[in-house]
Amino acid sequence: GNSVTQMEGPVTLSEEAFLTINCTYTATGYPSLFWYVQYPGEGLQLLLKATKADDKGSNKGFEATYRKETTSFHLEKGSVQVSDSAVYFCALSPRGGSQGNLIFGKGTKLSVKP
Amino acid sequence: EAGVVQSPRYKIIEKKQPVAFWCNPISGHNTLYWYLQNLGQGPELLIRYENEEAVDDSQLPKDRFSAERLKGVDSTLKIQPAELGDSAVYLCASSLVYTDTQYFGPGTRLTVL
Repeated sequence: GNSVTQMEGPVTLSEEAFLTINCTYTATGYPSLFWYVQYPGEGLQLLLKATKADDKGSNKGFEATYRKETTSFHLEKGSVQVSDSAVYFCALSPRGGSQGNLIFGKGTKLSVKP
Repeated sequence: EAGVVQSPRYKIIEKKQPVAFWCNPISGHNTLYWYLQNLGQGPELLIRYENEEAVDDSQLPKDRFSAERLKGVDSTLKIQPAELGDSAVYLCASSLVYTDTQYFGPGTRLTVL
């Protein structure tokens, strides 16, 4: 079946540190891949996405590359800020388009200290 | 442009009571989703609508949960009767048809005592 596994948190970093949150997936066919972010007390916001192998999604300094050979979509940021503190969810849409429902990982909580 | 609107934001009820959540999607979005998010977990799909039609309700516990989207716009999710284990955040999301990007509302946090 379809599933997403992401690294357990919490992750605590100092400001300006490098961030990596690992995400691997299992899926039939060619899914679309997403990172969503959830700030305290708010709903999920799309951070970035990639729809095919070798695509790189990027937004607000965050990047993730769709790696079909390793079935991975790791999230990276070169220099984190306190305002990046949130819970990050990796997700896949099994078939793309409206036929694909989102399947989420369990989330990784990031805390950035000044 | 207004985002996905949900109400109420918080709800506290006694077990065995009924409860309802309301969602208004982004204007023009044909597809509407209800998700359940337990504490410390990722969201899990309960039901998906394409316009008025529930096209995937396989994960909806139909003995106590029901949903409707009568005019293909806003939607209501109901639990009757609520159980202690239903305490969670209920998220609504919407998307344009034939796209895979979903936009989420702020959620309703339900506490069942």
